[in-house]
Amino acid sequence: GENVEQHPSTLSVQEGDSAVIKCTYSDSASNYFPWYKQELGKRPQLIIDIRSNVGEKKDQRIAVTLNKTAKHFSLHITETQPEDSAVYFCAASGANQGGKLIFGQGTELSVKP
Amino acid sequence: NAGVTQTPKFRILKIGQSMTLQCTQDMNHNYMYWYRQDPGMGLKLIYYSVGAGITDKGEVPNGYNVSRSTTEDFPLRLELAAPSQTSVYFCASSYSPETQYFGPGTRLLVL
Repeated sequence: GENVEQHPSTLSVQEGDSAVIKCTYSDSASNYFPWYKQELGKRPQLIIDIRSNVGEKKDQRIAVTLNKTAKHFSLHITETQPEDSAVYFCAASGANQGGKLIFGQGTELSVKP
Repeated sequence: NAGVTQTPKFRILKIGQSMTLQCTQDMNHNYMYWYRQDPGMGLKLIYYSVGAGITDKGEVPNGYNVSRSTTEDFPLRLELAAPSQTSVYFCASSYSPETQYFGPGTRLLVL
């Protein structure tokens, strides 16, 4: 089955710097890759997603890139702010899988003022 | 719309007890999911459903059961609670098998 590895497990940046979180997946049939943000004690919330027919997607300060050949995808956050501090999860899902998401282990991002 | 709601918010169970975690969505979503999240870990899929009357196992189904008699409700049943089932349980729903909306979670402690 699908396996998703996420790195790093923790990431500390200064306010205004960029942050990059990387994930690799094992199943070449996976075609949907969302990123979730989870603040302490809260539910995961979708922040951006990408499908396998697209190489890059941007939404203001957030971007996701996908390399299907290498089977990895990354989250890029520019001009980080203290409110970006949270745990970020990547996930992967395959076609005809009923939306089953396999999650990475999470990255705890800390943005220092 | 209330979105995805879960009850209870928190529960303490003794080993061997049973309980049902409730999940309801008012968005008319066909797809519903149950995840567990252990401290400091990612989410693991327990069971999912692609529509009323249809359920299937996820990554970690042992010790749990589900039913989907209506589009709105997707309860998760623990029959014989074990300490290993101490976790936070999230229910989620989606219109298509992609964008999933999560409920607020149920924190379960088994002692």
